[in-house]
Amino acid sequence: LAKTTQPISMDSYEGQEVNITCSHNNIATNDYITWYQQFPSQGPRFIIQGYKTKVTNEVASLFIPADRKSSTLSLPRVSLSDTAVYYCLVATNAGNNRKLIWGLGTSLAVNP
Amino acid sequence: EAGVAQSPRYKIIEKRQSVAFWCNPISGHATLYWYQQILGQGPKLLIQFQNNGVVDDSQLPKDRFSAERLKGVDSTLKIQPAKLEDSAVYLCASRKPGLAKDTQYFGPGTRLTVL
Repeated sequence: LAKTTQPISMDSYEGQEVNITCSHNNIATNDYITWYQQFPSQGPRFIIQGYKTKVTNEVASLFIPADRKSSTLSLPRVSLSDTAVYYCLVATNAGNNRKLIWGLGTSLAVNP
Repeated sequence: EAGVAQSPRYKIIEKRQSVAFWCNPISGHATLYWYQQILGQGPKLLIQFQNNGVVDDSQLPKDRFSAERLKGVDSTLKIQPAKLEDSAVYLCASRKPGLAKDTQYFGPGTRLTVL
């Protein structure tokens, strides 16, 4: 099963762009990369998912290089409310059942 | 659209006692998941249901944990007897077929403290 590695914590300031990079060296051909956000005392919330190149939605952008061994979540102009834990996940077909492998996540602190 | 509902939100018990958690997924979501999240860690999948059938329970400690989803809608997770290391947040999530792959909707969780 593919595993992910991402920084434990990051600090930023309001209005800055934040890029969180995740490595997944043994990603398989049919794996997708998915990012979730979790606020304290809440369940995780789906942010974005991609397979290759670039994906953008109203919340974030996801950049995936050609070798797919890493990916970068980009949050434009963060605000205090973006302070949360961000999880990079690779979903893999284990025995014909898709399974998300959750790591420790990146704790992002946005300062005023 | 109502989100995933869980109850209770908080529960405090003593070790060796029993406890049950309830989850009502989003209407129409056939897939239901129970996760355990220990403080400072990511969620750990305990069990996955597709309608009322178990798809994956490989990480469920079956000697003390059990879960059911009898009518393919709401679900209960039980711990009997509880141990100190079961203190965690128990998250329920659901997924609707046809959504983008791996889009799971999570409930607020039940925070369990075992004394």
